[in-house]
Amino acid sequence: DTGVSQDPRHKITKRGQNVTFRCDPISEHNRLYWYRQTLGQGPEFLTYFQNEAQLEKSRLLSDRFSAERPKGSFSTLEIQRTEQGDSAMYLCASSFGTVSSYEQYFGPGTRLTVT
Amino acid sequence: QKEVEQNSGPLSVPEGAIASLNCTYSDRGSQSFFWYRQYSGKSPELIMFIYSNGDKEDGRFTAQLNKASQYVSLLIRDSQPSDSATYLCAVKTSYDKVIFGPGTSLSVIP
Repeated sequence: DTGVSQDPRHKITKRGQNVTFRCDPISEHNRLYWYRQTLGQGPEFLTYFQNEAQLEKSRLLSDRFSAERPKGSFSTLEIQRTEQGDSAMYLCASSFGTVSSYEQYFGPGTRLTVT
Repeated sequence: QKEVEQNSGPLSVPEGAIASLNCTYSDRGSQSFFWYRQYSGKSPELIMFIYSNGDKEDGRFTAQLNKASQYVSLLIRDSQPSDSATYLCAVKTSYDKVIFGPGTSLSVIP
């Protein structure tokens, strides 16, 4: 399978705990994106990487969120001190970013439930 | 004004009819436009992209772009029950960010 993969698919955690999600992009893709999606809404941009560089981070993202992409391969998204409002689907997407190409391909997502 | 807006749903069409989904965007400098399909509980799946004014056809799907009107649409011909899903419009803005609309829910009635 050469698509985008995410792990875990589901995570239930108690408020105040830290969680970490992993995303493995399509191997030749240099761009990797993280989105958050809640019911009835479109994906909301969180951050993106070009290779290992984090080029942008949404100002909606609090200091409790951090993302890394060591060596420009897989990426992790960590949420510290989770809150009930963090409950959402966390989506990862990758693309081969050129001047004219921005088609993003999504992974299956990680559904986070904070109790 | 929201950056990307879509016609409010849900949209219901009978099987075999044409479904028309609309999207408007605020950034006049936007260059690339995408349509994603998302089934309930699943992640978005890219079905069409369009970069130039006019129509682009792929099977039963046609994307239409009018940059002067800041409008992009998706037509689904011969709609099938399997087309029932939420359709997301996404726009790459002039500041190099892809913004998604809220989606339009489509229901194709057998």
